Amino acid sequence: QVQLRQWGAGLLKPSETLSLTCGVYGGSLSAYHWGWIRQPPGKGLEWIGRINYSGTTNYNPSLKSRVSISIDTSTNQFSLKMSSMTAADAAVYYCVRYQPTMMDAFDIWGQGEMVTVSS
Amino acid sequence: DIVMTQSPLSLPVTPGEPASISCRSSQSLLHTNGYKYLDWYLQKPGQSPQLLIYLGSYRASGVPDRFEGSGSATDFTLQISRVEAEDVGVYYCMQALQTPYTFGQGTKLEIK
Repeated sequence: QVQLRQWGAGLLKPSETLSLTCGVYGGSLSAYHWGWIRQPPGKGLEWIGRINYSGTTNYNPSLKSRVSISIDTSTNQFSLKMSSMTAADAAVYYCVRYQPTMMDAFDIWGQGEMVTVSS
Repeated sequence: DIVMTQSPLSLPVTPGEPASISCRSSQSLLHTNGYKYLDWYLQKPGQSPQLLIYLGSYRASGVPDRFEGSGSATDFTLQISRVEAEDVGVYYCMQALQTPYTFGQGTKLEIK
């Protein structure tokens, strides 16, 4: 059974860059899209972006200037970088798998990583 | 962006009773392939969201058949035929027709 496990720095200062990685265990990166979703404390879900096996990306226009998603097929991992972090970016960040047989519904989620931005 | 609007935002339900959540999109979610690109997720307390329904009406693997999704091109409903204690949490609809994918505000289901 495929699992996503994510890690990264959970406490940042304003203006720093967020870096999160999601490892894919029990399966392969190929034939799927992979992506990131975030959830500010007590609030709803926001789509950040996605990447496919070939490295083609799509980003939320509201975040596009600050976000980069990359993929490393050699380690079966994909990553999120978000620059110029502010308190408004504090959230739980989830990595997800898009399931093509379900027209890209998110069938697997990571455990989530709480990111705090504070000076 | 496509705006997703859910109602109600809070839903207290007696165990064994039915429940219904509405989700409306600001534009049609009907793809040219005939599928409606609307998914439902449940976020149980302290957990990551999990997929319940995809393409408007297809239950994900392992989802009990008391959950049913339906709808037109812009108006969707998630129905739970008989609510159980394990169904508590926040339900989100999400459109997957076009990027950026967008979610409804969430509906919090609680047990009376």
